[in-house]
Amino acid sequence: DTAVSQTPKYLVTQMGNDKSIKCEQNLGHDTMYWYKQDSKKFLKIMFSYNNKELIINETVPNRFSPKSPDKAHLNLHINSLELGDSAVYFCASSQPTGEAAFFGQGTRLTVV
Amino acid sequence: AQSVTQLGSHVSVSEGALVLLRCNYSSSVPPYLFWYVQYPNQGLQLLLKYTTGATLVKGINGFEAEFKKSETSFHLTKPSAHMSDAAEYFCAVKGSSGSARQLTFGSGTQLTVLP
Repeated sequence: DTAVSQTPKYLVTQMGNDKSIKCEQNLGHDTMYWYKQDSKKFLKIMFSYNNKELIINETVPNRFSPKSPDKAHLNLHINSLELGDSAVYFCASSQPTGEAAFFGQGTRLTVV
Repeated sequence: AQSVTQLGSHVSVSEGALVLLRCNYSSSVPPYLFWYVQYPNQGLQLLLKYTTGATLVKGINGFEAEFKKSETSFHLTKPSAHMSDAAEYFCAVKGSSGSARQLTFGSGTQLTVLP
């Protein structure tokens, strides 16, 4: 029973395309996140979403937009993909305070 | 604002030797602290966490970490390294309010275990 699942695991696409990555958690957590891991393994928070409160990392381009149809889902939509968007994107969830975040297996996005 | 510094992007130890991975943090609110491990091509797995209470916390796979407020440190240790411990390790901090509720990661330490 996967706690945090994201699809697809691999995504190869051309520059300029629009793509989405889906994330679902079955832990009953109130907060979900998207992280970007670059080629040097550095993890950067992109968004956190808690009870319709969206906290955006100001360095994230507005081509990236999170969409949450319900508390268990937080999808990531990316418009006009660029080469620099190539990375591994991780979805995670947690309770708002104190508790650890649980991570999905990641989506490796390659823009060609 | 909160931040995490992991000293040493690469650490090598011999099998059976002590593992010490260093982590220092800064936080404007009382921190929650975590260590995660990432094996190749996998997601992040929680090793251990400090929220409140006992400052020495034990995690999975024989790892432990000690929260030292005076030193703003949360170093990860394991008495005897095993080949299967080779992975990337991330220290993370989380605050209790506002944007500090987000989990902020250090830059990671790649642990190599030599036979």
